[in-house]
Amino acid sequence: GENVEQHPSTLSVQEGDSAVIKCTYSDSASNYFPWYKQELGKGPQLIIDIRSNVGEKKDQRIAVTLNKTAKHFSLHITETQPEDSAVYFCAASRGITGNQFYFGTGTSLTVIP
Amino acid sequence: EADIYQTPRYLVIGTGKKITLECSQTMGHDKMYWYQQDPGMELHLIHYSYGVNSTEKGDLSSESTVSRIRTEHFPLTLESARPSHTSQYLCASSEPRANTGELFFGEGSRLTVL
Repeated sequence: GENVEQHPSTLSVQEGDSAVIKCTYSDSASNYFPWYKQELGKGPQLIIDIRSNVGEKKDQRIAVTLNKTAKHFSLHITETQPEDSAVYFCAASRGITGNQFYFGTGTSLTVIP
Repeated sequence: EADIYQTPRYLVIGTGKKITLECSQTMGHDKMYWYQQDPGMELHLIHYSYGVNSTEKGDLSSESTVSRIRTEHFPLTLESARPSHTSQYLCASSEPRANTGELFFGEGSRLTVL
């Protein structure tokens, strides 16, 4: 069936370095790709999203790129800080049903001070 | 900050007990969801609702049931809990725009069935 694959499952970086998380999706109808950050003991929270008519979007230290032809999208965090440590989920919208998503399996990011 | 609340946050119960996980949102969102989050972090949709008196099952088969009598309230019930139901349950809601809506998640209810 349709799904989203996310890599890596764990990632450790030194404070100040960049972190990149990659996702691939299979549903050609997907047109909205959000990224969620889940801190320990909390629910996921949207940090950035991108729509299919845009190739790149940036918000301060966070950027997302989308390649619709290849069906992959990536999250880039620059100048990482310890508070960036969390689990990150990518997601892709499902067809035309609205507000349902395929979620990736999550990446546990640790930023080492 | 999202106005969606889940209770209880943590629950430890014995096998065979009936439990209800509460979820309420004050944003007036029509769409609400229940996700089950495994220890390995993956999110699985188990129930969703697009409005009052509307409930549907999600991708992951679940023995739980839900109801949507009021827009703001979407409780999940397990009639007879088993150890296999041990998991974290996340409630979410979204605005009605198709395929463009942010999901607002509660902080989760962590259920342990002994």
